Amino acid sequence: GENVEQHPSTLSVQEGDSAVIKCTYSDSASNYFPWYKQELGKRPQLIIDIRSNVGEKKDQRIAVTLNKTAKHFSLHITETQPEDSAVYFCAANQNVGNEKLTFGTGTRLTIIP
Amino acid sequence: DADVTQTPRNRITKTGKRIMLECSQTKGHDRMYWYRQDPGLGLRLIYYSFDVKDINKGEISDGYSVSRQAQAKFSLSLESAIPNQTALYFCATSDTGGDYGYTFGSGTRLTVV
Repeated sequence: GENVEQHPSTLSVQEGDSAVIKCTYSDSASNYFPWYKQELGKRPQLIIDIRSNVGEKKDQRIAVTLNKTAKHFSLHITETQPEDSAVYFCAANQNVGNEKLTFGTGTRLTIIP
Repeated sequence: DADVTQTPRNRITKTGKRIMLECSQTKGHDRMYWYRQDPGLGLRLIYYSFDVKDINKGEISDGYSVSRQAQAKFSLSLESAIPNQTALYFCATSDTGGDYGYTFGSGTRLTVV
């Protein structure tokens, strides 16, 4: 089955700087890669996703890049703000009928004012 | 707004007791999932169901069982709770098996003493 590794497990950046979180996946058949943000005490919420037919997707201050050859994808947050502090999870689908997501272990991002 | 609701939000139970966690959704999604979240381990899949007559084990199904009572309801049972089942449990739904991302429920924090 799919295996997703996520790094780093914790990340602290100064407010206004950029943050990058990286994930690798094992199943070359995976074709859908979402990112979830979980604020303290809340449920994970989808913030951005990318499909394997594109290499990059942007939504305001967040972007995701995908390298299918290397089987890795990354989340980029620019001009970080205190409200970006949260745990971020990457995930990849298992492409046997587009079934279920496998999640990374999460990155706790702290924005230092 | 359409949502995914879990009950209870918090529960403390004793070792050996049977407990049921419930999930209901008004999203109209066919696919439902149960994950548990542990610090440093991310979200791990317990069981999933693609329709009322379909139940599948995830990566950590031992000690758990599920029931899909209707399209909108998916319950998780711990037949005989043990302390290492203490975790945060999330139900999730999707309409095409993850290809368009999950909607997570509000979560149930379970403590087994």
